[in-house]
Amino acid sequence: EAGVTQFPSHSVIEKGQTVTLRCDPISGHDNLYWYRRVMGKEIKFLLHFVKESKQDESGMPNNRFLAERTGGTYSTLKVQPAELEDSGVYFCASSQGWGGNEQFFGPGTRLTVL
Amino acid sequence: AQTVTQSQPEMSVQEAETVTLSCTYDTSESDYYLFWYKQPPSRQMILVIRQEAYKQQNATENRFSVNFQKAAKSFSLKISDSQLGDAAMYFCAYYSGAGSYQLTFGKGTKLSVIP
Repeated sequence: EAGVTQFPSHSVIEKGQTVTLRCDPISGHDNLYWYRRVMGKEIKFLLHFVKESKQDESGMPNNRFLAERTGGTYSTLKVQPAELEDSGVYFCASSQGWGGNEQFFGPGTRLTVL
Repeated sequence: AQTVTQSQPEMSVQEAETVTLSCTYDTSESDYYLFWYKQPPSRQMILVIRQEAYKQQNATENRFSVNFQKAAKSFSLKISDSQLGDAAMYFCAYYSGAGSYQLTFGKGTKLSVIP
């Protein structure tokens, strides 16, 4: 069984540019999550999809971040325009069923904004 | 708001020895879930062990066990017979059991295993 995959693994962009991160969850997982870890800090929740619907987006920092989940399959997270403080590792996770079940994490995308 | 604290940024252990990683949390909920995740260098984060707060018995998974002290809001991870492959970042995480499915993480503990 393929795990959660994320693309790209690394991205280096200039301040003001746009970047789109992609996540492919485990097949059949209705729940998809985005998290972010800024260096030296906790991994922070960004948002949660159930199929194609945003269930909880309370962790999204501001309206420069836009997440979509096309047809309830893969998800994209777009940052436009990127700021220096957006640098960090963006993790995607997926799970089945309810919130107490294991969340399976992808390898993360390391975003550097210069 | 719930918070998770891992007070040991780094730890080391001799191969074959035992090490305990600390985690405390703050919550007003009575039913919740706690997790330890492991992220080896340049690899994906994987679940090590899961504890349901309503269960008094401490969870165990092979060489990994927890000491869950609900009243003290403490959830430590014990790794017995440490192996080189145990070297990783370890994250403690909390799920409230209600409402949002989000996990709340601690800052992590980097564990080194000395051969």
